[in-house]
Amino acid sequence: SQQGEEDPQALSIQEGENATMNCSYKTSINNLQWYRQNSGRGLVHLILIRSNEREKHSGRLRVTLDTSKKSSSLLITASRAADTASYFCATVPSNDYKLSFGAGTTVTVRA
Amino acid sequence: EAQVTQNPRYLITVTGKKLTVTCSQNMNHEYMSWYRQDPGLGLRQIYYSMNVEVTDKGDVPEGYKVSRKEKRNFPLILESPSPNQTSLYFCASGTGVMTNYGYTFGSGTRLTVV
Repeated sequence: SQQGEEDPQALSIQEGENATMNCSYKTSINNLQWYRQNSGRGLVHLILIRSNEREKHSGRLRVTLDTSKKSSSLLITASRAADTASYFCATVPSNDYKLSFGAGTTVTVRA
Repeated sequence: EAQVTQNPRYLITVTGKKLTVTCSQNMNHEYMSWYRQDPGLGLRQIYYSMNVEVTDKGDVPEGYKVSRKEKRNFPLILESPSPNQTSLYFCASGTGVMTNYGYTFGSGTRLTVV
């Protein structure tokens, strides 16, 4: 069963704007990860945040985690055309080993 | 180069004809996993392996088999493929659930069963 659910399903923004997408999950987690997928290609790991962390940064990416609300957000600042992709959150439950994905958010950055 | 290699990239087969999709990683990772991706459903886990000779079912294991005889290889076997197994398949590997680095994915295998 899918653990994470992303919101929105699709997002269209202008180059230079910020893009924010959210992920909600159902059970307690060990960590939460964000991945990017370009049109039918393999997934690329972006960032991992542990259950005892609240915020993490990597370049233009900022991830927050609120374990009380079982939710996470991914912010991409100053978006570029190359950021056009699908973004997935994935969770590792605290009592299991499986990495489970949500259905993803499709981001389109318009030039 | 550190990578996960899947073969073949594309495969068209007929119902009932056994096939194997190979997956190999060169990073000495303990954890390996197979996913299928279907439109609107995201990635669903088929099987995963925590180490050699240790495999477990994911969320959609029916119709699939795996084996982990060596650390680097994790083949996916479809004994009798059916059209509902037409999908995009990904293999992934990682250092395990305590990793700080996430998982590395292969480029995918697009399977069509007619």
